[in-house]
This record gives sequence, C-alpha cells and structure tokens, in this order.
Amino acid sequence: DVKVTQSSRYLVKRTGEKVFLECVQDMDHENMFWYRQDPGLGLRLIYFSYDVKMKEKGDIPEGYSVSREKKERFSLILESASTNQTSMYLCASNPAGSYEQYFGPGTRLTVT
Amino acid sequence: QKEVEQNSGPLSVPEGAIASLNCTYSDRGSQSFFWYRQYSGKSPELIMSIYSNGDKEDGRFTAQLNKASQYVSLLIRDSQPSDSATYLCAGNAGNNRKLIWGLGTSLAVNP
Repeated sequence: DVKVTQSSRYLVKRTGEKVFLECVQDMDHENMFWYRQDPGLGLRLIYFSYDVKMKEKGDIPEGYSVSREKKERFSLILESASTNQTSMYLCASNPAGSYEQYFGPGTRLTVT
Repeated sequence: QKEVEQNSGPLSVPEGAIASLNCTYSDRGSQSFFWYRQYSGKSPELIMSIYSNGDKEDGRFTAQLNKASQYVSLLIRDSQPSDSATYLCAGNAGNNRKLIWGLGTSLAVNP
C-alpha cells in the first residue's frame, strides 16, 4: 500500500511565523504535490515536484515555497504565515507516468 | 480555462438505492479520469480510475466515460450510509502531470 505521511494533523501558528509542513512517501514516487482545500474552493494546487530539487508552481504559489532535497520528502514553507493561509493542506504523490494521486492525511493549519 | 464541473449537491438517496454522480470536463486532451471519496475532515481516497470509453465496474461502483460528450459518471449500487461523503471527480490536464479537480458532490445515504 502507498503510504504518504504528513508531519502534523493539526497546527496552530501565529501571524508572521515561519511554518514548515512536511510530507514523506515510502513508495519511491517521482511526483509529489501540495494542495490546499477550502470550503467552496475545492482542491487548489500550490506547488508540485517531479524530481529531487525540481519544482513547478501550481495555481496559487504566492506566499509559499517548497523544498525537495530527497526523493521521499517534500516540504511546504510559509515564509510569513497570514490568517488567509488558514486551511487544510494536503500532500499527494504518484509515480512517473501515472496520474493517480495518493494523499496523505492532511494538516489542518490555523493561523491566528 | 480547463474545468471539471460537478453538481455540488447534496444528493440524497435512500439506503439500498443507486446513487448517480456526474461530472463534465472541458479539456478534450484529458484521457484519464478519477473518482475520489472524501469523508468529512479526512483526505481524498481514490476509488475508481477510468481511461477508456464505456463502463468499468469494481464491486458496487461503476465508472462510465463518454469522451464524445465529455462526460464521466459514478454509479454506486446498493448505497450504504457509509457511502455518505463528498465525491471528487478529476481528469488529467493533457500531458501535464497535474489533475484538474471538480469541486465535489456531497452524497447523503439515508437509512
């Protein structure tokens, strides 16, 4: 079974803090994705990575950065958290050549 | 703008009935389609993939794809209260690695 894990299920941070969300997959997948999900807005892609040290912007990259130093790990960074970044953050992965994405459990981030 | 559209619902069906969930897409380059189930507060879980025109069955679930009409559907037979969830439809964005997501249809199965 594909296993995607995320570092926290719930996180509360203050405005202006630097926030790190980590995602690890154990299936040697090439592709990894970060989404946020908000009521009425659905899943929105923030960034994705198709190889170590490679990244591409998704639909809403503003205010976020990512890091992929190892194949199994993909980190999302909020340089200076703001209240409008309060959301559910979902990580997903898939192997090269496949479109089926497998999700981690999600991190519900609250920025106060 | 490439889109995947779904009725938001809620779709309400009695236990034991067939639930029919529908999805249309705008990108004719999309070839692969997926249905995900998402329980409240949880992450999406892949339940069906379909790549060819026609029907694909897996247990109580049947996915249908009609590329000419740009239409994808999911039928759930013998619906159970445990099927109550939001169902997300997604299609690939041409040759891009990304998926285009619908906003989801909320399904309630009433005992």
